[in-house]
Amino acid sequence: QVQLQESGPGLVKPSETLSLTCVVSGYSISSGYYWGWIRQSPGKGLEWIGSIYYSGSTYHNPSLKSRVTISVDTSKNQFSLKVNSVTAADTAVYYCARQSSTAGTTAFDYWGQGTPVTVSS
Amino acid sequence: SYELTQPPSVSVSPGQTASITCSGDKLGDKYACWYQQRPGQSPVLVIYQDNKRPSGIPERFSGSNSGNTATLTINGTQAMDEADYYCQAWASTTVVFGGGTKLTVL
Repeated sequence: QVQLQESGPGLVKPSETLSLTCVVSGYSISSGYYWGWIRQSPGKGLEWIGSIYYSGSTYHNPSLKSRVTISVDTSKNQFSLKVNSVTAADTAVYYCARQSSTAGTTAFDYWGQGTPVTVSS
Repeated sequence: SYELTQPPSVSVSPGQTASITCSGDKLGDKYACWYQQRPGQSPVLVIYQDNKRPSGIPERFSGSNSGNTATLTINGTQAMDEADYYCQAWASTTVVFGGGTKLTVL
């Protein structure tokens, strides 16, 4: 059973960097698949942040690309997210998920439980 | 940038059929998938590649996609189906989500 678990500070100050890690169990990241980050602001919908392949290849939401860094550590079977220069608009529940890509499409088939992050001084 | 549009809310009576639409430019030329999100829970994939159900998803969930509209259909809607539903597509190396539809079963 594939399981994902997000972790990181629940409170980040404005202008600082948000850092989260997603640990994967029940599946080796090196075996394939893309791995993604998605967030959900309070009372709002889902917003894709970006995704990474085990090889390190990444792609990002154009609206966030300049502030986002996604990395992978296959030795620890985990991947990470950094968002720079955060503002209150970055307050959200952050999810990590496995991204299945076939036949020219993609879907997130396993999700973590989500971790809430508040940006406030 | 590519956009997907969903109605904010849909209501259905128990046992009836619920249909939730997702509109986007030539969406039928892409694949759509759907997620169910109950309050306080993570999203769950219920339909992928327009009309495929992941293991464990009840048969009452089905999907279609043609022209500019993808549709999630729930036959024999149950109270437990009350949730937010999101469509999602892949457009030019970008993952796009619809704004979500709140399904109320009353």
